[in-house]
Formats: sequence, structure tokens, C-alpha cells
Amino acid sequence: GAGVSQSPSNKVTEKGKDVELRCDPISGHTALYWYRQSLGQGLEFLIYFQGNSAPDKSGLPSDRFSAERTGGSVSTLTIQRTQQEDSAVYLCASSLGGYWGSGNEQFFGPGTRLTVL
Amino acid sequence: GENVEQHPSTLSVQEGDSAVIKCTYSDSASNYFPWYKQELGKGPQLIIDIRSNVGEKKDQRIAVTLNKTAKHFSLHITETQPEDSAVYFCAAGLYNFNKFYFGSGTKLNVKP
Repeated sequence: GAGVSQSPSNKVTEKGKDVELRCDPISGHTALYWYRQSLGQGLEFLIYFQGNSAPDKSGLPSDRFSAERTGGSVSTLTIQRTQQEDSAVYLCASSLGGYWGSGNEQFFGPGTRLTVL
Repeated sequence: GENVEQHPSTLSVQEGDSAVIKCTYSDSASNYFPWYKQELGKGPQLIIDIRSNVGEKKDQRIAVTLNKTAKHFSLHITETQPEDSAVYFCAAGLYNFNKFYFGSGTKLNVKP
């Protein structure tokens, strides 16, 4: 079946512009996660959704970052007034929901590579 | 919060040799430790995980060991093959929470 998809695969933008990154989770997965992967770094947790609500936004680096999820499916990560330090690969993952670890493996998308000039 | 450190950052081995990647964590409450493999251009994929109530888990050529007292865990790959070449990430967190912390990754290169 279809896995997690993300669009665009690559995004180049100018400093100060806003960008929107999209994630389509696996059908039926109620939990959705956003991570940021900077060059040579690990995966930095950004935000987690259970259904349409976000019980944990603690990883969002600043108020320029926001995310929403509608219909319990597609999610959009928005970065306003982009800065060069926002350049990274943004990964989305989904899981069946409830508690991870309880057989709720996170399945990752291929990521969106964001470059801020 | 949890801090996960991973070593080495790069590892090069000859095909058929073993590879070991080590991670340490800081929060003694962490009780779930998954390992992910990320191939070029793809998202990470879970390859093995371990809970803190066991000390070792094995799945064919890969195994993970956990030392709770020392707060470190390791990934062991035996009889390495070129297709094992990838970036490997360890992570630590709480089994019943939807959040865990990743290490910085190890780039494994298996030379044919």
C-alpha cells in the first residue's frame, strides 16, 4: 500500500518568504509527527498530532513555525519569514495512533529538503 | 529532557566483518530504544527495537544490547553486506508516549 508522502520533495526559497510543507500520512494512521534533520545531525522532534489535535508542540523552534492537521489526515507545516538556519530536511512520520511502542511503529516519508537562500 | 549521544559518526568496515554502533542516554526513565536505518534519499525505517525489561534482542544479523545501569545501548550487525550501507539512528524515550529523542546518526559504509 501507499506509504507516507511529502511534497514538495525540494523547496528553494528566499530568506523572509513563507513556506508550506505537506504531509500525507498512511491511510488510517491517526498519529502524525514532524521532525527536522539538519546536515549531519539527528532527527529533531518538532510536533506530534493525535487526530487533529497537537498535544505536544514543544519541539517547534520558534513562533515562526506552525502546523495544522485537518480531517485527521493531511498535515501542513508552515514556516514564516524563513531564515537560512531553517534549511534542513523536514520529515513526516505517521503511526496507527495511541501510544507509540505499543506496536505503533512510526513510518517516515522521504522528506522535504528546504533550502533558504 | 532526554539527551542521546551516538558514536561513531562514521564507520567503515569490510564486507563480512561486524559493525557496532553505540549510544548513551541521560534520562533513566527512558524504557524504549528503537534503531532506525536511513538509506539515501529515503526516510528512516525501524529495524529493531528493545524495551528496558530485556537486555538483548536479536533479529537475524542484527542485535541490540541494553545496559540500563550504565544507560547505554548498542547495535550489532554481523556479516555485513554492501546493502547495510546507510545512516543508522538510535533513539530513546518512554514506551507509552509518542515522542522519542534521536542520536546524531552513524554513517556506515560496507566495502565490498
